[in-house]
Amino acid sequence: DQQVKQNSPSLSVQEGRISILNCDYTNSMFDYFLWYKKYPAEGPTFLISISSIKDKNEDGRFTVFLNKSAKHLSLHIVPSQPGDSAVYFCAASNSGGGADGLTFGKGTHLIIQP
Amino acid sequence: DVKVTQSSRYLVKRTGEKVFLECVQDMDHENMFWYRQDPGLGLRLIYFSYDVKMKEKGDIPEGYSVSREKKERFSLILESASTNQTSMYLCASSTPWQTYTEAFFGQGTRLTVV
Repeated sequence: DQQVKQNSPSLSVQEGRISILNCDYTNSMFDYFLWYKKYPAEGPTFLISISSIKDKNEDGRFTVFLNKSAKHLSLHIVPSQPGDSAVYFCAASNSGGGADGLTFGKGTHLIIQP
Repeated sequence: DVKVTQSSRYLVKRTGEKVFLECVQDMDHENMFWYRQDPGLGLRLIYFSYDVKMKEKGDIPEGYSVSREKKERFSLILESASTNQTSMYLCASSTPWQTYTEAFFGQGTRLTVV
């Protein structure tokens, strides 16, 4: 059973517009959420995170929103730039559960059109 | 600059071979992880370790084993490589999740089993 779901395998957005990537989770024990960006043939790089005590975290062009009651988070990129074209993974962890690792979604391939 | 280094970027091995994938981190992190990434499946956790000589199974441990003899080094072993283990393998490390920090990834090893 998939605990972290990214239902859009791909998303195409025009340069300069807003990109919104969505993520849903089912495990109510998750209390820390992260977004990673991945280019082909490279490891994922951390983008932004949010803990469950917050509903918003902003870092430059990137904002993550968390709706705990809906078990939903989203990543907003404004404005979108060509270098943002990559696969974006949503991930979640349970900070109280030992090491455990991150549980990842299947990723969304963001394509920024010129 | 933080670093997780995987010993090889690309590997080609024959079916039935024993394969070692090495990972070293220089951040004195307690937690280390091995994931594999496959198209349409996202990142899946194979094994993790939260201390030297400690290991825990992730979601897909079958056909793999791990070794952590030193804090900075975490090895993934394919006991008898099979073609369905052709994949991108990603090592990561982190401090304990209670500190609410991200995991850092290596550059990945693209393994092809022929």
